[in-house]
Amino acid sequence: NTKITQSPRYLILGRANKSLECEQHLGHNAMYWYKQSAEKPPELMFLYNLKQLIRNETVPSRFIPECPDSSKLLLHISAVDPEDSAVYFCASSPGTNTGQLYFGEGSKLTVL
Amino acid sequence: GDQVEQSPSALSLHEGTGSALRCNFTTTMRAVQWFQQNSRGSLINLFYLASGTKENGRLKSTFNSKESYSTLHIRDAQLEDSGTYFCAAEDVAGTGSNRLTFGKGTKFSLIP
Repeated sequence: NTKITQSPRYLILGRANKSLECEQHLGHNAMYWYKQSAEKPPELMFLYNLKQLIRNETVPSRFIPECPDSSKLLLHISAVDPEDSAVYFCASSPGTNTGQLYFGEGSKLTVL
Repeated sequence: GDQVEQSPSALSLHEGTGSALRCNFTTTMRAVQWFQQNSRGSLINLFYLASGTKENGRLKSTFNSKESYSTLHIRDAQLEDSGTYFCAAEDVAGTGSNRLTFGKGTKFSLIP
């Protein structure tokens, strides 16, 4: 799937701050951040619809999302913890109430 | 308990054979999606169903919202089918935005 691009694909962090970026070229209104830990299904972190944050699951405050426009999504990470090691997927769908969810390729975060 | 119960948790098939995966739902779902997570970790859309049956190549999926289940049939299994399969179902949350609940996944591998 080249229609949802994520960067970086791999990220190794000590205590540094970093941001993940996502852009979708599908014209979708809803964008999501999911976290997938090893051997588990993806878990929703944040959901935006038309740039508004409408769902914020229980996520540590060191993760801060940002939606600068309806096709872009950022995830700012600070003071990471080893439990944050996971793959972070960006996803999008036509709206929040209908339609298929499409995932980006993921950004693998390894916390040293 | 879990809203989405996926089975089996693991499946091994000889090349050319087939089998079915199943997701049972403990609450009424509006639609279901099936994903394949391949060996590179990409989450690939297979099906999106609000009802009925869809077929795509060697894959076929059915969603029965009245009886609260969905199935994914794989026939003539090939190496490229390897990976983990997830179902994900939409319920109608009180907030007006859909919550997508994932099954725990079925790890599929081909027996050489």
